[in-house]
Amino acid sequence: AQTVTQSQPEMSVQEAETVTLSCTYDTSENNYYLFWYKQPPSRQMILVIRQEAYKQQNATENRFSVNFQKAAKSFSLKISDSQLGDTAMYFCAFMIQGGSEKLVFGKGTKLTVNP
Amino acid sequence: NAGVMQNPRHLVRRRGQEARLRCSPMKGHSHVYWYRQLPEEGLKFMVYLQKENIIDESGMPKERFSAEFPKEGPSILRIQQVVRGDSAAYFCASSDYREETEAFFGQGTRLTVV
Repeated sequence: AQTVTQSQPEMSVQEAETVTLSCTYDTSENNYYLFWYKQPPSRQMILVIRQEAYKQQNATENRFSVNFQKAAKSFSLKISDSQLGDTAMYFCAFMIQGGSEKLVFGKGTKLTVNP
Repeated sequence: NAGVMQNPRHLVRRRGQEARLRCSPMKGHSHVYWYRQLPEEGLKFMVYLQKENIIDESGMPKERFSAEFPKEGPSILRIQQVVRGDSAAYFCASSDYREETEAFFGQGTRLTVV
C-alpha cells in the first residue's frame, strides 16, 4: 500500500520570503504521479503542481517548484515570494499511473503567510 | 464550463437519519471519485465510479455507505443511519480518464451529525 507523510503540521513564513514544505512517500511502484494541492479556508481543493515520476526535471509553476528525489522518495514544494493568498492547507498526494487514478493524500501542512 | 458541483454545501442530520450527497461532474467527464476528509486529516479515497459502474470501492465502509453514478443525473453518495463519526467533509472529483487529465474537485459537502 502507498503512504504519504508530511512531517510539518504547521509552518509560517513572512510575506515575500521563501518556504519549503516537505513530503515523503512509500511505494513499490515505478510509474506514478505526485501532486501538491492547496486547500484555502473555502475548502476548495486546488491543484498547485504535478510531477510525473518518469521525468527527471523538476516541475515548476510560476512561484511554485518541486524538488523531486525519486530514490529518496521525497517530493518537497518550494514557494517563492510568498503572498498572503498562499495561506492555506497544503496536501501532498500520490497516484499510481495506469491504475484507478485514486489519490493517496498526506495529512497536510498548514501554511500561514505573515504580513 | 462549470466546475464540479456538489450539493448541498452543508448538511445537518440527526443520528439514525439518511444523508444523500450529490455530485455533478464537469461537462464531458465520465469518471467520479468520492473522498472523505475528517477534521485535521487529509482526504481519504472512498469510491471510484464510471457511468452505471462501480470501479473501485476499496475505501468504502462495508456497511451503511453506498454510491451510484447513473446514466443520467448526478452521482450520489448515500449514508444510511448516520452516526456522529460520519461527520466530515465529503469531496467529489471528476476526470476524463482517456486523457489522463487531472481530477477536478468540487467544494465539498460538510456533513454534521447531531
